[in-house]
Amino acid sequence: QQQVKQSPQSLIVQKGGISIINCAYENTAFDYFPWYQQFPGKGPALLIAIRPDVSEKKEGRFTISFNKSAKQFSLHIMDSQPGDSATYFCAASKGAQKLVFGQGTRLTINP
Amino acid sequence: GAVVSQHPSWVICKSGTSVKIECRSLDFQATTMFWYRQFPKQSLMLMATSNEGSKATYEQGVEKDKFLINHASLTLSTLTVTSAHPEDSSFYICSARDAGVLNQPQHFGDGTRLSIL
Repeated sequence: QQQVKQSPQSLIVQKGGISIINCAYENTAFDYFPWYQQFPGKGPALLIAIRPDVSEKKEGRFTISFNKSAKQFSLHIMDSQPGDSATYFCAASKGAQKLVFGQGTRLTINP
Repeated sequence: GAVVSQHPSWVICKSGTSVKIECRSLDFQATTMFWYRQFPKQSLMLMATSNEGSKATYEQGVEKDKFLINHASLTLSTLTVTSAHPEDSSFYICSARDAGVLNQPQHFGDGTRLSIL
């Protein structure tokens, strides 16, 4: 019940396209859903996060869509750029408790 | 703001050596810090949670005598890999949270790549 399942494992998108990564969770007590971006040899950096009281949050080219009834949330990257090529992790937590991470998605943006 | 510094970024040492990794919160007080291990092309695996001034809480399967964690101040936590062996080679990442601030997210350091020969 602590799992967060992330898909796809890898994704290739053309420059300018929309990148979509999906996550599903089981624990309905989770109340915080962040997305992290990680470049090779670096630690994860917080991109955007959402709480279950809203269905969508947008920051620049990045949007989180949240479906509480389906226990799913997704990251959309609009106008994807080669600099967005990285590994993306979704995560979930209850309050200030530990984060449960998804398996990661390796995103490649072709120029 | 919310910068977490990790040191060293890369260490190579001989088998049997103990290695200490430092994690510092530079511009906030971190009442809680987390230590993760990450294998190539895999997700982050939480090893332990440390709270300032108290013993760390280790995840199931993590040897507490092997991975010593000390969180002696509000800005510093250390992970010591004792008597390291080649199988301990990995990417170790810390994160910190200012639990005194409502809804504060975890901020991650840039990791330490540990190679045991």
